[in-house]
Amino acid sequence: GAVVSQHPSRVICKSGTSVKIECRSLDFQATTMFWYRQFPKKSLMLMATSNEGSKATYEQGVEKDKFLINHASLTLSTLTVTSAHPEDSSFYICSARDGRTPTNYGYTFGSGTRLTVV
Amino acid sequence: AQTVTQSQPEMSVQEAETVTLSCTYDTSESDYYLFWYKQPPSRQMILVIRQEAYKQQNATENRFSVNFQKAAKSFSLKISDSQLGDAAMYFCAYLDSNYQLIWGAGTKLIIKP
Repeated sequence: GAVVSQHPSRVICKSGTSVKIECRSLDFQATTMFWYRQFPKKSLMLMATSNEGSKATYEQGVEKDKFLINHASLTLSTLTVTSAHPEDSSFYICSARDGRTPTNYGYTFGSGTRLTVV
Repeated sequence: AQTVTQSQPEMSVQEAETVTLSCTYDTSESDYYLFWYKQPPSRQMILVIRQEAYKQQNATENRFSVNFQKAAKSFSLKISDSQLGDAAMYFCAYLDSNYQLIWGAGTKLIIKP
């Protein structure tokens, strides 16, 4: 089945630095990528939606200059957390829509990235 | 706007028994899709089962089945013959017209050996 590879799985960075998270669809073209943030024992919070070759659409309250999303190709989307602060520490998950299948088939998720900002 | 409600923060079941996780949703649309996703301790989200609203027949995937009550806007998940590997967070989700998933708060399922 469809696989989304997300890296890194864990990252620790210092306050003020930037961190890039990659999501790569291995055997399909991801026409749409969703980026989520998940707090401990909580549900997924949608941060932004990106379509290949277009600017990402951010949810209300998500700083687009802080969370930079690039979806330059049909197999790769990146989330860069710029000038990270401790409050950015969280679990980030990407989810991709396989353009070959109907949307109602559901989406494929990456394995997530645990970001810790110290 | 659509909303999804999971009223059970935690459920526990004895191994080999049956458990039902509840989910209700609110929408004004007549045609939509509903999903149950599982998130085990590895935190990898896994699709468990999906249901098309226009289908009256309840979806079934091996030990997993749903009770879809469209008029009541209810979409419960039944897990039969519970196994230790079923222990996870279970999320109910609604696919909206923008192709975004609207998520419930989740139910933590504990399997007692």
